[in-house]
Amino acid sequence: GQQVMQIPQYQHVQEGEDFTTYCNSSTTLSNIQWYKQRPGGHPVFLIQLVKSGEVKKQKRLTFQFGEAKKNSSLHITATQTTDVGTYFCAGILSNDYKLSFGAGTTVTVRA
Amino acid sequence: DAGVTQSPTHLIKTRGQHVTLRCSPISGHKSVSWYQQVLGQGPQFIFQYYEKEERGRGNFPDRFSARQFPNYSSELNVNALLLGDSALYLCASKADLNTEAFFGQGTRLTVV
Repeated sequence: GQQVMQIPQYQHVQEGEDFTTYCNSSTTLSNIQWYKQRPGGHPVFLIQLVKSGEVKKQKRLTFQFGEAKKNSSLHITATQTTDVGTYFCAGILSNDYKLSFGAGTTVTVRA
Repeated sequence: DAGVTQSPTHLIKTRGQHVTLRCSPISGHKSVSWYQQVLGQGPQFIFQYYEKEERGRGNFPDRFSARQFPNYSSELNVNALLLGDSALYLCASKADLNTEAFFGQGTRLTVV
Protein backbone atom coordinates (compact mmCIF):
# COMPACT_ATOMS: atom_id res chain seq x y z
CA GLY A 1 0.00 0.00 0.00
CA GLN A 2 0.93 3.62 -0.23
CA GLN A 3 3.49 4.85 2.27
CA VAL A 4 4.41 8.40 3.10
CA MET A 5 7.67 8.93 4.93
CA GLN A 6 8.79 12.10 6.65
CA ILE A 7 12.21 13.13 7.87
CA PRO A 8 13.47 14.18 10.27
CA GLN A 9 11.20 12.89 13.02
CA TYR A 10 12.41 15.62 15.37
CA GLN A 11 13.84 19.03 14.65
CA HIS A 12 15.35 21.14 17.42
CA VAL A 13 15.90 24.65 16.12
CA GLN A 14 17.47 27.78 17.54
CA GLU A 15 15.09 30.70 17.29
CA GLY A 16 15.89 32.65 14.14
CA GLU A 17 17.36 29.69 12.26
CA ASP A 18 15.92 27.99 9.19
CA PHE A 19 14.98 24.34 8.77
CA THR A 20 13.44 21.98 6.24
CA THR A 21 11.28 18.90 6.63
CA TYR A 22 10.97 16.37 3.83
CA CYS A 23 8.19 14.08 2.70
CA ASN A 24 8.52 11.11 0.34
CA SER A 25 5.85 8.87 -1.11
CA SER A 26 6.29 5.34 -2.43
CA THR A 27 3.80 6.13 -5.20
CA THR A 28 3.01 9.09 -7.43
CA LEU A 29 0.55 11.43 -5.79
CA SER A 30 -2.37 13.38 -7.18
CA ASN A 31 -1.70 16.13 -4.69
CA ILE A 32 -0.22 16.68 -1.28
CA GLN A 33 -1.38 18.63 1.72
CA TRP A 34 0.48 19.91 4.77
CA TYR A 35 -0.94 20.21 8.26
CA LYS A 36 0.32 21.56 11.57
CA GLN A 37 -0.66 20.11 14.92
CA ARG A 38 0.15 21.97 18.10
CA PRO A 39 0.73 19.95 21.29
CA GLY A 40 -2.64 18.74 22.56
CA GLY A 41 -4.40 20.05 19.48
CA HIS A 42 -5.73 18.77 16.19
CA PRO A 43 -4.24 18.99 12.69
CA VAL A 44 -4.78 22.33 10.99
CA PHE A 45 -4.56 22.67 7.22
CA LEU A 46 -1.67 24.75 5.89
CA ILE A 47 -1.50 24.25 2.12
CA GLN A 48 -2.31 21.99 -0.82
CA LEU A 49 0.06 21.41 -3.74
CA VAL A 50 -1.29 19.97 -6.97
CA LYS A 51 1.05 20.66 -9.86
CA SER A 52 4.40 19.03 -10.58
CA GLY A 53 7.20 21.31 -9.39
CA GLU A 54 4.78 23.67 -7.67
CA VAL A 55 6.14 26.11 -5.10
CA LYS A 56 3.92 28.04 -2.70
CA LYS A 57 4.85 30.50 0.02
CA GLN A 58 3.04 31.55 3.17
CA LYS A 59 5.03 34.27 4.90
CA ARG A 60 8.06 32.41 6.31
CA LEU A 61 6.90 28.98 5.05
CA THR A 62 7.84 27.67 1.60
CA PHE A 63 6.27 24.49 0.27
CA GLN A 64 7.52 22.53 -2.74
CA PHE A 65 6.10 19.60 -4.71
CA GLY A 66 8.60 17.48 -6.59
CA GLU A 67 8.68 17.15 -10.36
CA ALA A 68 7.73 13.48 -10.13
CA LYS A 69 4.97 14.26 -7.60
CA LYS A 70 6.46 11.77 -5.17
CA ASN A 71 8.13 14.14 -2.74
CA SER A 72 7.55 17.44 -1.05
CA SER A 73 9.28 19.76 1.37
CA LEU A 74 8.45 22.47 3.86
CA HIS A 75 11.07 25.11 4.56
CA ILE A 76 10.66 27.56 7.43
CA THR A 77 12.89 30.62 7.66
CA ALA A 78 13.69 32.62 10.80
CA THR A 79 11.99 30.12 13.11
CA GLN A 80 9.85 31.61 15.88
CA THR A 81 8.46 30.07 19.05
CA THR A 82 5.04 30.10 17.40
CA ASP A 83 6.35 27.50 14.93
CA VAL A 84 6.43 24.84 17.64
CA GLY A 85 4.35 21.79 16.79
CA THR A 86 4.27 18.75 14.54
CA TYR A 87 4.14 19.22 10.79
CA PHE A 88 2.50 16.48 8.76
CA CYS A 89 2.41 15.93 5.05
CA ALA A 90 -0.55 13.97 3.70
CA GLY A 91 -0.56 12.46 0.23
CA ILE A 92 -3.60 11.84 -1.93
CA LEU A 93 -3.73 9.35 -4.79
CA SER A 94 -5.82 9.82 -7.91
CA ASN A 95 -9.33 8.45 -7.47
CA ASP A 96 -8.59 7.73 -3.83
CA TYR A 97 -9.34 10.73 -1.72
CA LYS A 98 -8.09 9.50 1.61
CA LEU A 99 -5.23 11.35 3.23
CA SER A 100 -2.15 9.20 3.84
CA PHE A 101 -0.23 10.97 6.57
CA GLY A 102 3.44 10.79 7.27
CA ALA A 103 4.64 10.32 10.85
CA GLY A 104 5.32 14.04 11.14
CA THR A 105 8.24 16.25 12.08
CA THR A 106 8.04 17.56 15.63
CA VAL A 107 9.64 20.97 15.96
CA THR A 108 10.92 22.49 19.17
CA VAL A 109 12.45 25.95 19.34
CA ARG A 110 15.22 27.17 21.64
CA ALA A 111 14.82 30.82 22.53
CA ASP B 1 -19.60 29.49 11.99
CA ALA B 2 -19.25 26.34 14.02
CA GLY B 3 -16.32 24.15 13.16
CA VAL B 4 -16.23 20.39 13.25
CA THR B 5 -17.65 19.16 16.55
CA GLN B 6 -16.94 15.77 18.07
CA SER B 7 -18.40 14.09 21.10
CA PRO B 8 -17.48 13.01 23.61
CA THR B 9 -14.10 14.69 24.11
CA HIS B 10 -12.81 11.98 26.42
CA LEU B 11 -13.93 8.44 27.06
CA ILE B 12 -12.73 5.54 29.18
CA LYS B 13 -13.92 2.05 28.28
CA THR B 14 -13.13 -1.48 29.38
CA ARG B 15 -11.77 -4.16 27.07
CA GLY B 16 -14.56 -5.94 25.22
CA GLN B 17 -16.97 -3.04 25.38
CA HIS B 18 -18.17 -1.09 22.39
CA VAL B 19 -18.05 2.63 21.76
CA THR B 20 -19.82 5.15 19.53
CA LEU B 21 -18.13 8.39 18.59
CA ARG B 22 -19.99 11.23 16.95
CA CYS B 23 -19.07 13.98 14.55
CA SER B 24 -20.89 16.97 13.13
CA PRO B 25 -19.20 18.46 10.05
CA ILE B 26 -19.04 22.08 9.06
CA SER B 27 -22.35 23.23 7.65
CA GLY B 28 -22.46 22.56 3.92
CA HIS B 29 -19.67 20.00 3.96
CA LYS B 30 -20.66 16.68 2.45
CA SER B 31 -17.60 14.58 3.26
CA VAL B 32 -16.66 13.18 6.63
CA SER B 33 -13.58 11.08 7.33
CA TRP B 34 -12.38 9.32 10.45
CA TYR B 35 -8.77 8.95 11.54
CA GLN B 36 -7.04 7.22 14.41
CA GLN B 37 -3.99 8.92 15.87
CA VAL B 38 -1.79 7.04 18.28
CA LEU B 39 0.58 9.14 20.37
CA GLY B 40 3.67 10.09 18.41
CA GLN B 41 2.29 9.03 15.04
CA GLY B 42 0.42 10.59 12.18
CA PRO B 43 -3.34 10.12 11.77
CA GLN B 44 -4.28 6.81 10.16
CA PHE B 45 -7.25 6.73 7.79
CA ILE B 46 -10.21 4.64 8.92
CA PHE B 47 -13.23 5.63 6.79
CA GLN B 48 -14.42 8.29 4.41
CA TYR B 49 -18.04 9.07 3.62
CA TYR B 50 -19.37 11.34 0.93
CA GLU B 51 -23.03 12.04 0.38
CA LYS B 52 -23.86 9.26 2.84
CA GLU B 53 -21.93 6.61 0.92
CA GLU B 54 -18.71 4.95 2.00
CA ARG B 55 -15.95 6.15 -0.29
CA GLY B 56 -12.95 4.53 1.31
CA ARG B 57 -11.88 2.23 4.07
CA GLY B 58 -8.49 1.93 5.70
CA ASN B 59 -6.72 -1.16 7.04
CA PHE B 60 -8.79 -1.57 10.16
CA PRO B 61 -10.60 -4.72 11.33
CA ASP B 62 -14.33 -5.26 10.91
CA ARG B 63 -14.79 -4.23 14.54
CA PHE B 64 -14.68 -0.70 13.17
CA SER B 65 -17.76 0.55 11.37
CA ALA B 66 -19.21 3.93 10.52
CA ARG B 67 -22.11 5.63 8.86
CA GLN B 68 -23.17 9.05 7.66
CA PHE B 69 -26.63 10.41 8.26
CA PRO B 70 -28.87 12.51 5.97
CA ASN B 71 -27.72 15.66 7.79
CA TYR B 72 -24.10 14.62 7.00
CA SER B 73 -23.20 13.96 10.62
CA SER B 74 -21.40 10.71 11.24
CA GLU B 75 -20.82 8.00 13.81
CA LEU B 76 -17.84 5.73 14.27
CA ASN B 77 -18.50 2.48 16.10
CA VAL B 78 -15.89 0.18 17.53
CA ASN B 79 -16.85 -3.20 18.95
CA ALA B 80 -14.95 -5.58 21.21
CA LEU B 81 -12.50 -2.90 22.28
CA LEU B 82 -8.85 -3.81 22.70
CA LEU B 83 -6.18 -1.99 24.67
CA GLY B 84 -4.57 -1.09 21.35
CA ASP B 85 -7.64 0.90 20.34
CA SER B 86 -6.63 3.58 22.82
CA ALA B 87 -5.98 6.66 20.70
CA LEU B 88 -7.20 10.06 19.62
CA TYR B 89 -10.01 9.64 17.09
CA LEU B 90 -10.25 12.53 14.70
CA CYS B 91 -13.11 13.46 12.45
CA ALA B 92 -12.40 15.54 9.35
CA SER B 93 -14.93 17.51 7.35
CA LYS B 94 -14.44 18.46 3.72
CA ALA B 95 -16.58 20.47 1.35
CA ASP B 96 -15.77 18.00 -1.40
CA LEU B 97 -13.63 14.90 -1.80
CA ASN B 98 -10.47 16.66 -2.96
CA THR B 99 -10.41 19.77 -0.80
CA GLU B 100 -8.76 20.66 2.47
CA ALA B 101 -9.79 18.78 5.57
CA PHE B 102 -10.99 20.55 8.70
CA PHE B 103 -10.39 18.45 11.78
CA GLY B 104 -12.39 18.38 14.97
CA GLN B 105 -10.75 18.44 18.37
CA GLY B 106 -10.97 14.67 18.54
CA THR B 107 -12.19 12.09 21.03
CA ARG B 108 -9.54 10.74 23.37
CA LEU B 109 -10.42 7.06 23.91
CA THR B 110 -8.73 5.11 26.64
CA VAL B 111 -9.33 1.37 26.88
CA VAL B 112 -8.44 -0.22 30.21
